Amino acid sequence: EPEVTQTPSHQVTQMGQEVILRCVPISNHLYFYWYRQILGQKVEFLVSFYNNEISEKSEIFDDQFSVERPDGSNFTLKIRSTKLEDSAMYFCASSEGTSEGHEQYFGPGTRLTVT
Amino acid sequence: RKEVEQDPGPFNVPEGATVAFNCTYSNSASQSFFWYRQDCRKEPKLLMSVYSSGNEDGRFTAQLNRASQYISLLIRDSKLSDSATYLCVVKGNTGKLIFGQGTTLQVKP
Repeated sequence: EPEVTQTPSHQVTQMGQEVILRCVPISNHLYFYWYRQILGQKVEFLVSFYNNEISEKSEIFDDQFSVERPDGSNFTLKIRSTKLEDSAMYFCASSEGTSEGHEQYFGPGTRLTVT
Repeated sequence: RKEVEQDPGPFNVPEGATVAFNCTYSNSASQSFFWYRQDCRKEPKLLMSVYSSGNEDGRFTAQLNRASQYISLLIRDSKLSDSATYLCVVKGNTGKLIFGQGTTLQVKP
């Protein structure tokens, strides 16, 4: 069964450093998403991406964040200068479409720890 | 008002019990609704979509009441393996998913 994969599973970084989280969505999917979950809190939407551009972004997704699809398979989230409050699980998701019946499938997540 | 609101629990039930979770959502224009399951420190996994007519998948039954903006999940004959956090999710019209806080279920032997 096809699945979304993410690397690394755990990333530790120092405050102020740049990190890149990587995702490989399911191959025939066209819509890509990043969500995050701070420990003990709910899953929050960050950004959606379609046709090589951002479709929607949340208030969390400020200028420190960027996304890219550098090739036909990878989808990346970059945080330019990490802050302590960026520590969270980051989940990538993908779907074939956005209408009813097109479910989003999540990757296993990257746990980001900012020290 | 929160976009998606759930009772966080925890719900502690014995094996074999029937348990029900409820959820309310604030945007009356919402069209798609889901229950996801999340195990500790794992990714959310789709449990079932929720339709206006109600739908059942084995021991799980989901109901939607659009007038009250209310979604429910019923689990019959609880198993130990049902222990998890159940996330009520509403899809926005752009495709983004809006999650509730989650309801924690602990099934005990």
